[in-house]
Amino acid sequence: EAGVAQSPRYKIIEKRQSVAFWCNPISGHATLYWYQQILGQGPKLLIQFQNNGVVDDSQLPKDRFSAERLKGVDSTLKIQPAKLEDSAVYLCASSLDQMRGGNQPQHFGDGTRLSIL
Amino acid sequence: AQSVAQPEDQVNVAEGNPLTVKCTYSVSGNPYLFWYVQYPNRGLQFLLKYITGDNLVKGSYGFEAEFNKSQTSFHLKKPSALVSDSALYFCAVSVFESYQLTFGKGTKLSVIP
Repeated sequence: EAGVAQSPRYKIIEKRQSVAFWCNPISGHATLYWYQQILGQGPKLLIQFQNNGVVDDSQLPKDRFSAERLKGVDSTLKIQPAKLEDSAVYLCASSLDQMRGGNQPQHFGDGTRLSIL
Repeated sequence: AQSVAQPEDQVNVAEGNPLTVKCTYSVSGNPYLFWYVQYPNRGLQFLLKYITGDNLVKGSYGFEAEFNKSQTSFHLKKPSALVSDSALYFCAVSVFESYQLTFGKGTKLSVIP
């Protein structure tokens, strides 16, 4: 089966600019996640979708980050305006219906490496 | 709040020797435990999980992990290390109805030829 697709792979922008990332999950996966992975740390969940609804966005900095999953398939994550501390790898993951018990393995894309100058 | 500790930033092991990557966790309730591996410039790849049942869980590429409730540990093991096992390993935990997966900071495994 095709894996989780993310684009772009790399992005360099200046602080205060805006940027968007795109994710296409594995077909049939109802749950989609966006993670931020800062160098030397484990991934941190930003937002979790169940189909096109938000399950958890408690760690999403909502003053500058936004995400949507229209039609319950593809998703985009946007940062506007970017800060220096947003430099990180942004990972998208998907899984089968997580609402049925929280034990479904997550399948990750290769991420977008964002550098803020 | 749930948390994961990986006490070693790096583990070095000779090829052919057994390897262990340590993980301890803290949760309220029964844990779901996972191990993922990350190769350079790639996303995380699922290795194995513990949900319930047998404390010894077998996963991909010959890896296994042992759940120890009294020590709140879930150490990753492999009987004979390969150079190709060199990567970053993450332990993660969630609980029923929490859905949120909390990762450790990762352990870099280097297998020396």
